[in-house]
Amino acid sequence: DTEVTQTPKHLVMGMTNKKSLKCEQHMGHRAMYWYKQKAKKPPELMFVYSYEKLSINESVPSRFSPECPNSSLLNLHLHALQPEDSALYLCASSQPGQGAYEQYFGPGTRLTVT
Amino acid sequence: GQNIDQPTEMTATEGAIVQINCTYQTSGFNGLFWYQQHAGEAPTFLSYNVLDGLEEKGRFSSFLSRSKGYSYLLLKELQMKDSASYLCAVRDYNQGGKLIFGQGTELSVKP
Repeated sequence: DTEVTQTPKHLVMGMTNKKSLKCEQHMGHRAMYWYKQKAKKPPELMFVYSYEKLSINESVPSRFSPECPNSSLLNLHLHALQPEDSALYLCASSQPGQGAYEQYFGPGTRLTVT
Repeated sequence: GQNIDQPTEMTATEGAIVQINCTYQTSGFNGLFWYQQHAGEAPTFLSYNVLDGLEEKGRFSSFLSRSKGYSYLLLKELQMKDSASYLCAVRDYNQGGKLIFGQGTELSVKP
């Protein structure tokens, strides 16, 4: 199984809502990532978890709150978002460390903030 | 700092060969990845280079020259389905091993 799954596929939320994005993988990967991608731009790293601990936070606003409940799951909690946060949110996983470990990406959640 | 450059757009003909170049500057180079991304879909891994030379995988090959800070992705026998964005990404060990992505090259394959 080389699949990363993400739910929901699409999400529309108002600026006062609270919602969560979910990501799951069963490849035994111990590094998981959240990326944000705007149209015609490359993925932009937000957070990295390694062995269920937050290892990189790319100065992301606190209205985005990541959580890694176990080695297979990664959540992104959203609160009080702005319209400019509308984007494709990609989850990825890989083996941790700096070897020849490619990241496997999920299909993404298309988020629209109204 | 780091900088990754690749052409914004390229057009090629079905059945032809196309080469997508990527140049990079990074303080802690630790591998270069190429990803393919179709519109509205997730990036998928194509190749990885950490040593100089050519890596071949079917119709796709990737080359790296660390001394020149240069890589290319070669696509042979182009098919219409190869129309996609191609992302060059460099791993930097001075930045926790995270991937630094180039802006992507939008390839259009025409009949």
